[in-house]
Amino acid sequence: GENVEQHPSTLSVQEGDSAVIKCTYSDSASNYFPWYKQELGKGPQLIIDIRSNVGEKKDQRIAVTLNKTAKHFSLHITETQPEDSAVYFCAASIVSGGADGLTFGKGTHLIIQP
Amino acid sequence: NAGVMQNPRHLVRRRGQEARLRCSPMKGHSHVYWYRQLPEEGLKFMVYLQKENIIDESGMPKERFSAEFPKEGPSILRIQQVVRGDSAAYFCASSPYENIQYFGAGTRLSVL
Repeated sequence: GENVEQHPSTLSVQEGDSAVIKCTYSDSASNYFPWYKQELGKGPQLIIDIRSNVGEKKDQRIAVTLNKTAKHFSLHITETQPEDSAVYFCAASIVSGGADGLTFGKGTHLIIQP
Repeated sequence: NAGVMQNPRHLVRRRGQEARLRCSPMKGHSHVYWYRQLPEEGLKFMVYLQKENIIDESGMPKERFSAEFPKEGPSILRIQQVVRGDSAAYFCASSPYENIQYFGAGTRLSVL
């Protein structure tokens, strides 16, 4: 089955700096890669996703890049703000006429230092 | 449009009791997924259901766990004869079509 590795487990950056979180996946058949933000005591919130037919996607301060050859994808947050502090999860799945369950990484605790 | 609703938010059970977790998907969503999250861990897929059908239960333990999504009413995740190792946060997600999953706030199960 699919295995998703996520790094780093904790990331501390100064407010206004950029943050980068990296994930690798094992199953070359995976073609859908969402990112979720989870705040304490809440459920995961979808912030951005990318499909394998696209190399990069951007939404305001958030961008995701995908390298299918290396089986690697990354989340980039620019101009970080205190409200960006949370745990971020990457995930992977196969979309093929049906909807598989997501395989998640173990999460990155992002801390924005004022 | 209300989001995915899960109840109860917190559930305390003694060892050997049954736990019933409920999930009402977003309006118009016919796909429901259940995940389990242990402290400091990512979410682990348990089961995927559509109305009246279990599509994929490969992540759900074979014993004591069951799930349903009836034609009417919420999806139910049932854990019989709970043990301390079942203590976790259980999240439900719903989807209107393949793989855009929206999560509820979760049910935190504590087994005493």
